[in-house]
Amino acid sequence: EPEVTQTPSHQVTQMGQEVILRCVPISNHLYFYWYRQILGQKVEFLVSFYNNEISEKSEIFDDQFSVERPDGSNFTLKIRSTKLEDSAMYFCASNRLGTEAFFGQGTRLTVV
Amino acid sequence: QKEVEQNSGPLSVPEGAIASLNCTYSDRGSQSFFWYRQYSGKSPELIMSIYSNGDKEDGRFTAQLNKASQYVSLLIRDSQPSDSATYLCAVNMGNTPLVFGKGTRLSVIA
Repeated sequence: EPEVTQTPSHQVTQMGQEVILRCVPISNHLYFYWYRQILGQKVEFLVSFYNNEISEKSEIFDDQFSVERPDGSNFTLKIRSTKLEDSAMYFCASNRLGTEAFFGQGTRLTVV
Repeated sequence: QKEVEQNSGPLSVPEGAIASLNCTYSDRGSQSFFWYRQYSGKSPELIMSIYSNGDKEDGRFTAQLNKASQYVSLLIRDSQPSDSATYLCAVNMGNTPLVFGKGTRLSVIA
């Protein structure tokens, strides 16, 4: 069964460092999303991506964040200069227009 | 602005009771509606999808859609402690990516 895969499952980084979170969406999906969830809090929308450009983004998705689809399979989230408050679970999801979105298992980012 | 609204909860129900989760959405032209369940520390998993007015049943779960009222709900019959989770409503509003609500936290008390 097709699934969304995310790597790494856990990333520890020092404050101020850049991190790249990777996702491989389901192959025939066209819409891609990043969400995050701070421990004990709700799932928060970050950004959606379609046709090689950002469709929507939340107020959380400021200039330190960027997304890219560098090839035909990967979808990445880059955080340029990590802060302690960026520590969270980051979920990638994908879908086709009008259909359910499937989520990856998440990357736990810990900023120390 | 496209919005999906849910009560944040927590919604507490006793074991064996019916849990009722509600969601409203802003775009009258929305076509596809989904309920996800998320356990703490895990990713959301799809539990129900509904596309037309009325009820759709799957085991203990029933999704209800009323497009005229822009309202979708999820009923969980015979609630179990294992149903304790956050439930996310998601709506496809036309030619745009899915819009998610903020989720309702359900607590089933044994």
